[in-house]
Amino acid sequence: GAVVSQHPSRVICKSGTSVKIECRSLDFQATTMFWYRQFPKQSLMLMATSNEGSKATYEQGVEKDKFLINHASLTLSTLTVTSAHPEDSSFYICSARDPTGPDYGYTFGSGTRLTVV
Amino acid sequence: GNSVTQMEGPVTLSEEAFLTINCTYTATGYPSLFWYVQYPGEGLQLLLKATKADDKGSNKGFEATYRKETTSFHLEKGSVQVSDSAVYFCALLPSGNTPLVFGKGTRLSVIA
Repeated sequence: GAVVSQHPSRVICKSGTSVKIECRSLDFQATTMFWYRQFPKQSLMLMATSNEGSKATYEQGVEKDKFLINHASLTLSTLTVTSAHPEDSSFYICSARDPTGPDYGYTFGSGTRLTVV
Repeated sequence: GNSVTQMEGPVTLSEEAFLTINCTYTATGYPSLFWYVQYPGEGLQLLLKATKADDKGSNKGFEATYRKETTSFHLEKGSVQVSDSAVYFCALLPSGNTPLVFGKGTRLSVIA
């Protein structure tokens, strides 16, 4: 079945630095990928929709200059948290859709735990 | 608009107990419905799905039936195991290439 690989799984960075998270579709082409942020009380918040070859669509309240999304190929989307601060510490999850999949093909990465110190 | 409401947890059950996690939805049109499971420290995995009214999704002993008349998709399992301890998310897909709309998740803890 469809596999989405997300790296790194865990990262600790200093306040003020930037962190890049990669999301790859391993055996299918994904024109669209979605980035979510999961808060401590477990709820998932959709941050943005990443579209291959075009600008990402950000949800209301998400700072596009802080959370840079690049979807340069059909198998790779990256989320860069710029000038990270402790409040950006969270669990980030990507999702991609295999349009040829039998079950609408929404597959999730294993998530990235970001800790900003 | 589209939204999903699921029962708040945490839910704590003894092994072999019966599980029900309620999920209701609001949607325009005819969405597809899903249950996802998240084990500690991991991403989400599809547990089961239903694409039209009266469809029953099932997997690993879990079941949920798409009830259009009550706009519900309750998750059930007859006998839970410790290994079922996880967070369960109900979700709907409005149409096509749109993002999933999630409920807030229900944490299940099964004790031996």
